[in-house]
Amino acid sequence: GAGVSQSPSNKVTEKGKDVELRCDPISGHTALYWYRQRLGQGLEFLIYFQGNSAPDKSGLPSDRFSAERTGESVSTLTIQRTQQEDSAVYLCASSLSKVSPSGTFFGQGTRLTVV
Amino acid sequence: DQQVKQNSPSLSVQEGRISILNCDYTNSMFDYFLWYKKYPAEGPTFLISISSIKDKNEDGRFTVFLNKSAKHLSLHIVPSQPGDSAVYFCAASAGAGSYQLTFGKGTKLSVIP
Repeated sequence: GAGVSQSPSNKVTEKGKDVELRCDPISGHTALYWYRQRLGQGLEFLIYFQGNSAPDKSGLPSDRFSAERTGESVSTLTIQRTQQEDSAVYLCASSLSKVSPSGTFFGQGTRLTVV
Repeated sequence: DQQVKQNSPSLSVQEGRISILNCDYTNSMFDYFLWYKKYPAEGPTFLISISSIKDKNEDGRFTVFLNKSAKHLSLHIVPSQPGDSAVYFCAASAGAGSYQLTFGKGTKLSVIP
């Protein structure tokens, strides 16, 4: 597609349930990032994928969070046993290479609400 | 501990006037700074950046100024247009080749026609 696509746009889930968020990066982009934005806060880095290298998971807030990416394609972010503090907008971004913060394109985000 | 701070949550400016958005940082390792613009229900889009070897970068109506000694940067928009109304995020990284960006909380700019 023309841009980074995320699904679903909105997700409401009950506390304790697992959720899976999906990101389709721009075709050909080797780098993929997940960020989250909680209400009134800036974007927080979660995880970074670069090609087939081991991902940088240093931003994941707990072991309930995990993400996968196969090659240079779709990525999924999974949150297990969701808590109310997980409520946020989860943003995915991609770029041609890691040396391109100015060439990083964001998706529209998935708004997650845990009730 | 917030390493990138945007102390003004909102700003209103008359169309045609100058908009000045401010950003402060605390981490002295940061040497590459970016501004992103975000419309509702859309992802942030890159606007302009500056490396610490410069103190000014200009792109059309947008200019970013960097004061390293004060650990302060600002984004100037001249003249402001109603289409500039959005949330502006300041971001920083330790090197232009670093992928990990640290963002401020954002400033919501409203340009009044």
